Amino acid sequence: EDQVTQSPEALRLQEGESSSLNCSYTVSGLRGLFWYRQDPGKGPEFLFTLYSAGEEKEKERLKATLTKKESFLHITAPKPEDSATYLCAVQARSSNTGKLIFGQGTTLQVKP
Amino acid sequence: DVKVTQSSRYLVKRTGEKVFLECVQDMDHENMFWYRQDPGLGLRLIYFSYDVKMKEKGDIPEGYSVSREKKERFSLILESASTNQTSMYLCASSLYPGTSGTQYFGPGTRLTVT
Repeated sequence: EDQVTQSPEALRLQEGESSSLNCSYTVSGLRGLFWYRQDPGKGPEFLFTLYSAGEEKEKERLKATLTKKESFLHITAPKPEDSATYLCAVQARSSNTGKLIFGQGTTLQVKP
Repeated sequence: DVKVTQSSRYLVKRTGEKVFLECVQDMDHENMFWYRQDPGLGLRLIYFSYDVKMKEKGDIPEGYSVSREKKERFSLILESASTNQTSMYLCASSLYPGTSGTQYFGPGTRLTVT
């Protein structure tokens, strides 16, 4: 069964304290892996798409990496405005609907 | 920038009412999706449309129907709302034909059924 597991569930950091969020996945052929940011009461905001192992993408303080079994979202010197829930999702090659399989998310709190 | 809009941010309806949730995207995307998001259950796909008048069931289609009369608009219909349909509803769209491509989400509609 296709599955996505994110860890930790919650993460508290001090401003400037770098860390990483993990997304482990099991899928029968990966079409793509997606990272989203979601603020409370709002829809997910697209961050990155990764397609193959070894690929990396960066945006401001965020860097996403991909291996054959997991993806990491590295946050360098975070600021309070980076506080949000970060969602990881995969799209399987076997899917005939294009649906994304989401993890439960990691809720990040960055304290000043 | 891709823009996906949803007709309401908050909606309160009574049990048994027929409810329409509308979604509009302005980027000529082929695919559109409806998800619901519940604490502890994550996002789950309700229905998917890959072309005008074409639709596919997702993981939890029971109690819902959809309509796509125009490419830019995708409606979710709750034929007879029930309290277990209280949830956050999210619409998304993606560019490419078929099943691949990044999905862009709307702001969500928080539906409460009393």
